Amino acid sequence: GEDVEQSLFLSVREGDSSVINCTYTDSSSTYLYWYKQEPGAGLQLLTYIFSNMDMKQDQRLTVLLNKKDKHLSLRIADTQTGDSAIYFCAEDRPNDYKLSFGAGTTVTVRA
Amino acid sequence: DAGITQSPRHKVTETGTPVTLRCHQTENHRYMYWYRQDPGHGLRLIHYSYGVKDTDKGEVSDGYSVSRSKTEDFLLTLESATSSQTSVYFCAIGGPDDQPQHFGDGTRLSIL
Repeated sequence: GEDVEQSLFLSVREGDSSVINCTYTDSSSTYLYWYKQEPGAGLQLLTYIFSNMDMKQDQRLTVLLNKKDKHLSLRIADTQTGDSAIYFCAEDRPNDYKLSFGAGTTVTVRA
Repeated sequence: DAGITQSPRHKVTETGTPVTLRCHQTENHRYMYWYRQDPGHGLRLIHYSYGVKDTDKGEVSDGYSVSRSKTEDFLLTLESATSSQTSVYFCAIGGPDDQPQHFGDGTRLSIL
């Protein structure tokens, strides 16, 4: 399809792991990004992965990339209340200056 | 964050009035972008710039114009605002390829 797709909502218990999934559109995309947006704020770059990698880990964050299925996921270990936010997946398509964003996944962390 | 300042942060105006939003960067980055954010759509590119006086249209450019007379400033103008342009507008710098885009804090614009 033409759109980057994400599920819209995820509810997770504090201390559990969160997994946010994304399906992107272009197998030639070179970089794939995860951004976090807290209420009333801008987008904060969380992490990104180059397309020749399968996995990237950064503290509590793990990004997995399946190029064959054009599937990207973000795992947050030991989810905290401060992780409640909207998470956007974005791809950097070749020959396209813009980033193509998914609609965002709203993560709610419950006690 | 990332040396990007958007102004104003909030604006309410009436249909038919002109509106200009400003993005100022201190990173001396060549590329700058204007996106709009609407529920269910993520962020969509309005216009971008790849240098002083060099701009191009994005996917939702109708009703908007831009100007870049200095590296540090990228202006977005709504010549005659309409209610459909009520949105949150984000400026970004960075890209393409191996330089991630970084975003400003946004301007919330309401057209009544």
